[in-house]
Amino acid sequence: GAGVSQSPSNKVTEKGKDVELRCDPISGHTALYWYRQSLGQGLEFLIYFQGNSAPDKSGLPSDRFSAERTGGSVSTLTIQRTQQEDSAVYLCASSSGTSWRDTQYFGPGTRLTVL
Amino acid sequence: AQSVTQLDSQVPVFEEAPVELRCNYSSSVSVYLFWYVQYPNQGLQLLLKYLSGSTLVKGINGFEAEFNKSQTSFHLRKPSVHISDTAEHFCAGQAAGNKLTFGGGTRVLVKP
Repeated sequence: GAGVSQSPSNKVTEKGKDVELRCDPISGHTALYWYRQSLGQGLEFLIYFQGNSAPDKSGLPSDRFSAERTGGSVSTLTIQRTQQEDSAVYLCASSSGTSWRDTQYFGPGTRLTVL
Repeated sequence: AQSVTQLDSQVPVFEEAPVELRCNYSSSVSVYLFWYVQYPNQGLQLLLKYLSGSTLVKGINGFEAEFNKSQTSFHLRKPSVHISDTAEHFCAGQAAGNKLTFGGGTRVLVKP
């Protein structure tokens, strides 16, 4: 079946602009995760949605970052007033279980470049 | 807090030779461990995971890893690599109730 998809695959923006990144998880997966992959910081957890529970936002680096998940499916990660240090690959993953030890299936990522 | 350390940032290896990627973790509680692979311009794919039971875990593509509690290690091995194994490999760990923590990654570079 279809895997996790993300759009756009590449996004170039100017410093100070807002961006929205989209993630379509595998159908039926209740858990959805956002990660950031950058040269300096490696892979970092950003936010975690599980069903209808309140999301775990503890990994968001600043209040410029926010995410929502509509209807328990599609998720959008929004970065306001982008900064150059926001340049990274943003990865989305989903899983069918309720535990962090359940296998996560990753999308191909969105490469964000802030000029 | 849990941390995961991958000791080598890059491992060059000749085709058909064996390879070992080292991973050490630190945790004061029970831990679950994973190895993911990332091919160029793709997302991460699970190679294998250790949750409990046998300390030798076999995964996809001929990879295996051994959980060693006394040495807090979870090294990944493959007896004979192919050109297609050229990729970034990530070790990750999860302590009960906590998030998945990734190591810095090891790039396997297979040479013909």
